[in-house]
Amino acid sequence: AQKVTQAQTEISVVEKEDVTLDCVYETRDTTYYLFWYKQPPSGELVFLIRRNSFDEQNEISGRYSWNFQKSTSSFNFTITASQVVDSAVYFCALIVASGGSYIPTFGRGTSLIVHP
Amino acid sequence: DARVTQTPRDKVTEMGQEVTMRCQPILGHNTVFWYRQTMMQGLELLAYFRNRAPLDDSGMPKDRFSAEMPDATLATLKIQPSEPRDSAVYFCASGFSGTGYHGELFFGEGSRLTVL
Repeated sequence: AQKVTQAQTEISVVEKEDVTLDCVYETRDTTYYLFWYKQPPSGELVFLIRRNSFDEQNEISGRYSWNFQKSTSSFNFTITASQVVDSAVYFCALIVASGGSYIPTFGRGTSLIVHP
Repeated sequence: DARVTQTPRDKVTEMGQEVTMRCQPILGHNTVFWYRQTMMQGLELLAYFRNRAPLDDSGMPKDRFSAEMPDATLATLKIQPSEPRDSAVYFCASGFSGTGYHGELFFGEGSRLTVL
């Protein structure tokens, strides 16, 4: 069975601080996909990034960066110089390739509050 | 911009009434998911369709919930009879999965259901 743990329920920072959201996953499959989604106050979940298990390269997109480490089964998300607009709930998700179901397993989400 | 469209956005109803939520997935996507989001349970998977075939509805209360996909442009989630504990935000999401590829999900804006 698959599992995604986002141990941080809520994080509160002041604008311009850097913040890292943790994601730890569990799977026995060697082929899998990891995702991050953002859910702003408006409610709609928005896709941020997708990584497959064979690609451990870190990724940077503007102020966002992702650190994928298979050795620790982690896929952490860092926001540099946070802004108020980053306030949202962030979800990490996992899809495994075996079994044919391809159903995402979501973490419980981390609520990020960025204060001006 | 292709979007997943959900109706209604908001629904207030009385206990015992039938509720039908509709979803138009993105053209070309072959997977459709229904999720329920509450503060207590987070994101719960209710139903999953692939190529319009229902593959997983193990998370759905079978006695009152039903999900169908009558054609590629419409997915429905029905609750009959509704109960106050069904109050939640219901999300539809679509995506594409094929051999060796599992893409991200695109979520609708959600249907906020309140059962009095």
